[in-house]
Amino acid sequence: AQSVTQPDIHITVSEGASLELRCNYSYGATPYLFWYVQSPGQGLQLLLKYFSGDTLVQGIKGFEAEFKRSQSSFNLRKPSVHWSDAAEYFCAVGAQFWGNKLVFGAGTILRVKS
Amino acid sequence: NAGVTQTPKFRVLKTGQSMTLLCAQDMNHEYMYWYRQDPGMGLRLIHYSVGEGTTAKGEVPDGYNVSRLKKQNFLLGLESAAPSQTSVYFCASSSTAGESKNIQYFGAGTRLSVL
Repeated sequence: AQSVTQPDIHITVSEGASLELRCNYSYGATPYLFWYVQSPGQGLQLLLKYFSGDTLVQGIKGFEAEFKRSQSSFNLRKPSVHWSDAAEYFCAVGAQFWGNKLVFGAGTILRVKS
Repeated sequence: NAGVTQTPKFRVLKTGQSMTLLCAQDMNHEYMYWYRQDPGMGLRLIHYSVGEGTTAKGEVPDGYNVSRLKKQNFLLGLESAAPSQTSVYFCASSSTAGESKNIQYFGAGTRLSVL
C-alpha cells in the first residue's frame, strides 16, 4: 500500500534560518507529489507539486522541493524562514491510476522563533 | 470565486444523533472527496466521487455515507454519531483536465464534536 512518512512531528527554526522538511513515500511507480500548508483553523493550501520533468520544483511563498527517486523522497526547503511560515505542513502522494486520490503524511508542525 | 465551500463550520452532536455536512464547489470539478483530520494522523480519505451519481469508499468509510446528486455538491452523512467521529472534516475537489488537473482544492473544514 502507498504511504507517506514525515519523520519530524515538530520543527522549530529561528526567523531567517533555512528550513528543510522531510518527506518519504512508498509507491512502486512514479508518483504525483504535493506539499500543502495549513494555518491554524484553516483549510489546506497547495505549496507546490511534482508530476514529471524537472525534479526541482518551485512553489509559492519562496518554497521549493526536490524529487529524489533513488531515495523516495520529496523534501521541502526554504532558504530563509519568516514568522508567517509557522503552520503545519503536509506531504501527499497520488498517482494517475488512483482516481486522483491522495495519501497524506501525518504532518510537520513548524514553529518559528523570533 | 468561492472555490470549495463547506457548511456548517462547527457542529456539536450528541451520541446517536444524525447530521449531514454539505460541500459545494463552483469550479466544475469532476472529482470530490471527504477527509477527516485527526491530530498526528494527517488527513484520511472517507469517501470520494469521480462524477455525478457515483461514489466510492476511501480508507475510513465506516459510519459515514455520501451522496452526489449534483456535480457541484457532495454530501457526507453521519447516521448515528459516535464520539470516535469527533474530528475536523475537509472536503476537496479536483479536475481531470486543464492546468489544475490532478490538484485537490480544499474547503475550510467543519469542526465536529460528538459528546
